[in-house]
Amino acid sequence: NAGVTQTPKFRVLKTGQSMTLLCAQDMNHEYMYWYRQDPGMGLRLIHYSVGEGTTAKGEVPDGYNVSRLKKQNFLLGLESAAPSQTSVYFCASRIMGVSYEQYFGPGTRLTVT
Amino acid sequence: AQSVTQPDIHITVSEGASLELRCNYSYGATPYLFWYVQSPGQGLQLLLKYFSGDTLVQGIKGFEAEFKRSQSSFNLRKPSVHWSDAAEYFCAVVRPSGGSYIPTFGRGTSLIVHP
Repeated sequence: NAGVTQTPKFRVLKTGQSMTLLCAQDMNHEYMYWYRQDPGMGLRLIHYSVGEGTTAKGEVPDGYNVSRLKKQNFLLGLESAAPSQTSVYFCASRIMGVSYEQYFGPGTRLTVT
Repeated sequence: AQSVTQPDIHITVSEGASLELRCNYSYGATPYLFWYVQSPGQGLQLLLKYFSGDTLVQGIKGFEAEFKRSQSSFNLRKPSVHWSDAAEYFCAVVRPSGGSYIPTFGRGTSLIVHP
């Protein structure tokens, strides 16, 4: 049981390049989330999904797109990376129901130059 | 709009000393409250949570937190800190939003432990 995994762990992009971050969970969780973490800002929600084939915007969705084609995977895309997207990205998942506990992946550190 | 405030950006304690990390929230109804810990280079891990009932909740690693409705607070405590407790601590509040229960995180408190 790997929990929540994220690929890649580190990435450096040039401004304007695109990339996709992959989040995978093996706990059969319905809900999945993408956050970014910046110094002094805590975690800010980018997008989330309440089930396969559904996505919704969070607090800071601009410049990002997501897809949830399979229940276990949640992809975060940057179509045209900007230096302001330099951050650590965390994926989280949780089961539907009253627990509300989120399980987090180890993070992806992205630098855009 | 709801918010979560962690007033202390950094806290330094000596190993063996007691610890209290503060968390205040603004929300119109009784929220669900969480404390998470983030060790360096890691994702977040749940320490404890409060939904209802007894206002003093016990968590993992010897942590506890007390919900005080009158003060809109959910402070995290530990009677004796260990060097391995050095980490970033986040308070979070869950609010209902179309049924998806979106969490809001505080900005975090960095705990430094001196030997």
